[in-house]
Amino acid sequence: DAKTTQPTSMDCAEGRAANLPCNHSTISGNEYVYWYRQIHSQGPQYIIHGLKNNETNEMASLIITEDRKSSTLILPHATLRDTAVYYCIVPPFSGGYNKLIFGAGTRLAVHP
Amino acid sequence: ETGVTQSPTHLIKTRGQQVTLRCSSQSGHNTVSWYQQALGQGPQFIFQYYREEENGRGNFPPRFSGLQFPNYSSELNVNALELDDSALYLCASSPGTGVSYTFGSGTRLTVV
Repeated sequence: DAKTTQPTSMDCAEGRAANLPCNHSTISGNEYVYWYRQIHSQGPQYIIHGLKNNETNEMASLIITEDRKSSTLILPHATLRDTAVYYCIVPPFSGGYNKLIFGAGTRLAVHP
Repeated sequence: ETGVTQSPTHLIKTRGQQVTLRCSSQSGHNTVSWYQQALGQGPQFIFQYYREEENGRGNFPPRFSGLQFPNYSSELNVNALELDDSALYLCASSPGTGVSYTFGSGTRLTVV
């Protein structure tokens, strides 16, 4: 299973871009990188995923390095509501099913 | 479209008792996964159900069991409750065995 490493916590000023890094140096060629976040007292929320190309949706952008050993989630204009724990996940595919393996994640605090 | 709903939201049980938690999957989703989240930790995968069959299991003892019904709703049953079973139990559904899951808000179980 590809293990991910993320900083324990980060701060960001409201309105600025939040760049959350993730290291996944043991990722296999066909494994995707997924990002979820969990706001206090809620279930995790899917943000974005990618294989090797950069991806963008209405929530965020995902930049994956060419060697695929690391990625960065970008929240272009962070708001106070983006304060949450952000999880970078590389789900192993085995036995015909996928499961999410959550680490400790990065606790992002957005301040005024 | 409705999201994932879980019931009850909170529950207090005594050690040794049995508990059943319920989950209604999002419309059109045929896969349900269950996670346990202890305080201050990331969610841990319990098992997944796909088309009414268990389709993968994490490192949880047999006293954790589940069911999926023809309408794709699901139950998590835990027998012989232990104090360490106190946690937030999360249900997540997806349209197939992919990992773009939609999570419910969870059931907070306290074992005393």
